[in-house]
Amino acid sequence: DAGVIQSPRHEVTEMGQEVTLRCKPISGHDYLFWYRQTMMRGLELLIYFNNNVPIDDSGMPEDRFSAKMPNASFSTLKIQPSEPRDSAVYFCASSFRREGSPLHFGNGTRLTVT
Amino acid sequence: AQSVTQLDSQVPVFEEAPVELRCNYSSSVSVYLFWYVQYPNQGLQLLLKYLSGSTLVKGINGFEAEFNKSQTSFHLRKPSVHISDTAEYFCAARNTDKLIFGTGTRLQVFP
Repeated sequence: DAGVIQSPRHEVTEMGQEVTLRCKPISGHDYLFWYRQTMMRGLELLIYFNNNVPIDDSGMPEDRFSAKMPNASFSTLKIQPSEPRDSAVYFCASSFRREGSPLHFGNGTRLTVT
Repeated sequence: AQSVTQLDSQVPVFEEAPVELRCNYSSSVSVYLFWYVQYPNQGLQLLLKYLSGSTLVKGINGFEAEFNKSQTSFHLRKPSVHISDTAEYFCAARNTDKLIFGTGTRLQVFP
């Protein structure tokens, strides 16, 4: 299995632009998670899906952030409009539903908003 | 609410020395515990996990961890570290859907 695949690996954009991050989870996994990592705040859970349905988006910082999972093999995290404070590494992870299943992480997207 | 505490933000150690990275968790229900490692510019890689059974768990790269319910701890150990072990280590707990991470410990191995 190729693991969790995220694209792009790096994204540099100007403030005010729309940014879309993409994720392909491991085939057969039931859960998909979006995390954000910064030096100041560490790893923060933004949102997660179970069988393509958003379960908890309480970690999404503002209405500028939105996430979708149109099917079991694809998810997007969108920021519109982007701001410099959104600069971070964004990770996607997936797992099986059964209790105690570990999360498998992608290599992340490093976002820089200037 | 579930939380994970890693008291040491940085742990410097010489090569071939033993190391322990500390992790404490708090939860009113049973949890599943994990250690992840993050190398520079990479995602998080699973080192080991505790689900149930034996309290001593062995993982990859020679690491092991011991689950201690009375002390609510899950410390990570390695008897002899290598330069290549230099990385960020995260302890995490999962008791429902979410995986909650500690703040991470930076292990720096010196020659």
